[in-house]
Amino acid sequence: AQTVTQSQPEMSVQEAETVTLSCTYDTSESDYYLFWYKQPPSRQMILVIRQEAYKQQNATENRFSVNFQKAAKSFSLKISDSQLGDAAMYFCASSPNAGGTSYGKLTFGQGTILTVHP
Amino acid sequence: DGGITQSPKYLFRKEGQNVTLSCEQNLNHDAMYWYRQDPGQGLRLIYYSQIVNDFQKGDIAEGYSVSREKKESFPLTVTSAQKNPTAFYLCASSPGQGGFGAEAFFGQGTRLTVV
Repeated sequence: AQTVTQSQPEMSVQEAETVTLSCTYDTSESDYYLFWYKQPPSRQMILVIRQEAYKQQNATENRFSVNFQKAAKSFSLKISDSQLGDAAMYFCASSPNAGGTSYGKLTFGQGTILTVHP
Repeated sequence: DGGITQSPKYLFRKEGQNVTLSCEQNLNHDAMYWYRQDPGQGLRLIYYSQIVNDFQKGDIAEGYSVSREKKESFPLTVTSAQKNPTAFYLCASSPGQGGFGAEAFFGQGTRLTVV
């Protein structure tokens, strides 16, 4: 079983500044993926970044990076040089990476609304 | 262009009616999923299918049914047994086991409203 918790319902940041969104998770799986998805007002879900749990190195994608603390079951997202287009709902999610019927099932957190001020 | 197409974008259902939401993908993905999104909540898994002619219940399957007769298609029927169907429905697909199988690609969603 998996649970994902996002404790920040809303966050705000000034344009060009840095913001960190928090996520904690719990899973009984020995191998799993973690994701951050972005949902802008259009409601299209867009993958921001992915982390494979067996990799110790934190994933980065341009201005987006994660701080993956496996022992603490923490997976935060840092957005650097925030832009107006970053304003959206952000979801943290986990998925098993083992074989079987649970493979690929995403479990989502409740989401964090990010507002970017010009 | 490759992607996932959901239709219709907006759907209205009368009390006691069954309605079917369409989801088609041309990404050649093995796995497909249906999620429900309610205001202020994350996405919850309704049903998923990892292979043609096979599917499994997710966390909130009651009142819903699916079929997977073709690899490209995974329609969701919201039955009259679903007492609170008003929500935003998202379909997703992923390549399946092997490679980056767990990464999901999403359609643009269907907004279902009971009238």
